[in-house]
Amino acid sequence: DAGITQSPRHKVTETGTPVTLRCHQTENHRYMYWYRQDPGHGLRLIHYSYGVKDTDKGEVSDGYSVSRSKTEDFLLTLESATSSQTSVYFCAISESGRMNTEAFFGQGTRLTVV
Amino acid sequence: DAKTTQPNSMESNEEEPVHLPCNHSTISGTDYIHWYRQLPSQGPEYVIHGLTSNVNNRMASLAIAEDRKSSTLILHRATLRDAAVYYCILRDVGNAGGTSYGKLTFGQGTILTVHP
Repeated sequence: DAGITQSPRHKVTETGTPVTLRCHQTENHRYMYWYRQDPGHGLRLIHYSYGVKDTDKGEVSDGYSVSRSKTEDFLLTLESATSSQTSVYFCAISESGRMNTEAFFGQGTRLTVV
Repeated sequence: DAKTTQPNSMESNEEEPVHLPCNHSTISGTDYIHWYRQLPSQGPEYVIHGLTSNVNNRMASLAIAEDRKSSTLILHRATLRDAAVYYCILRDVGNAGGTSYGKLTFGQGTILTVHP
């Protein structure tokens, strides 16, 4: 199994508070991604990174920011959590962005905003 | 982005072969066909990918139509552990300032139920 660790695995937070989710990898892969999964929507890309300090937005980036100061860590921050951000968040890594390489996913973080 | 169409659900019996279809009529010449699966309460798991030729690995086989407008994931002997949601994805290389990031766009997938 690819070395991907997401933390925390579960979190309950209050509306309006900032929340940071962490993705840690031991594979030295260049690309890292954050997805969210909601019933009826499948997985949707929030942000991605193609190197240290190189990040960009995905399709549902509003209300989220990311940082990558080291190859192994990719942080997702909800600046002011809202109930609509209640979801399961998955981190993924990929050795490259080429179309013939696979991605590996973490176990997910279940976030509940009350 | 090119889209894929899969049946919402399929059923199989244990130890029988399973053929999971996927239509991708708008596929471009450089799109790779990827399959992932997601077991309950887990993250997606890579299964297989291919471009034009049929592919085999320890988990499954991928049969790609000659015109590449459809493909079929084949599980040769289904087990209870194969019960999952199976996603057929065309791996898209978006560009951000010239850097490809290999976006995976997930659809709804096929829910596979395996009966003992």
